[in-house]
Amino acid sequence: QLQLQESGPGLVKPSETLSLTCTVSVGSISSNSDYWGWIRQPPGKGLKWIGSINYSGSTYYNPSLNSRVTISVDTSKNQFSLKLSSVTAADTAVYHCARHRRTRFSDINWFDPWGQGTLVTVSS
Amino acid sequence: EIVMTLSPATLSESPGARATLSCRASQSVSTNLAWYQQRPGQAPRLLIYGASTRATGIPARFSGRGSGTEFTLTISSLQSEDFAVYYCQQYNNWLPAFGGGTQVEIK
Repeated sequence: QLQLQESGPGLVKPSETLSLTCTVSVGSISSNSDYWGWIRQPPGKGLKWIGSINYSGSTYYNPSLNSRVTISVDTSKNQFSLKLSSVTAADTAVYHCARHRRTRFSDINWFDPWGQGTLVTVSS
Repeated sequence: EIVMTLSPATLSESPGARATLSCRASQSVSTNLAWYQQRPGQAPRLLIYGASTRATGIPARFSGRGSGTEFTLTISSLQSEDFAVYYCQQYNNWLPAFGGGTQVEIK
């Protein structure tokens, strides 16, 4: 069964860049045409999609974060990564990675499965 | 941007009871809607996609219905493991959006 695991620093200083990696196991990131996404969840709040990428590097980004977000993929390592620049306290959240299912009708649809998530705190 | 609204914010029910959660979209999303369950400290789990199709391994007590702007998730008989937070998500356009969540708690 496909598994995803996030990794990266749990503490980032304001104005710096948040960097996280998602490692996919028990399956290949390039075995099909699905996308791979990042979603975040501020403490005690709901879910917000950040962006998604496929194995060839095509991306979709949430326009509310677009100017600060870069998502990349490394198929040789079966990983995809998130960079979020110029962070503030408002970027403190649990960051999840997930497979973003593609269908013949649309590139990006529902998310399944999800990684456990990693808490990133923005603080000096 | 399509805004998703879940109601109620909190649903208090007894084990064995029937629970119905509602999700409303600010504009039509056809049947491009998914439901997720999130237990404390765990990742969200896909329950339903296509408004009414259960994901692999999801028990039959979970059912979804609706189209356009109004959707419901019904849990026919609440089990202890069903007390959790539930989210809906639309994927009708290229900007996926989640509702704020409904907490199902033990009465």
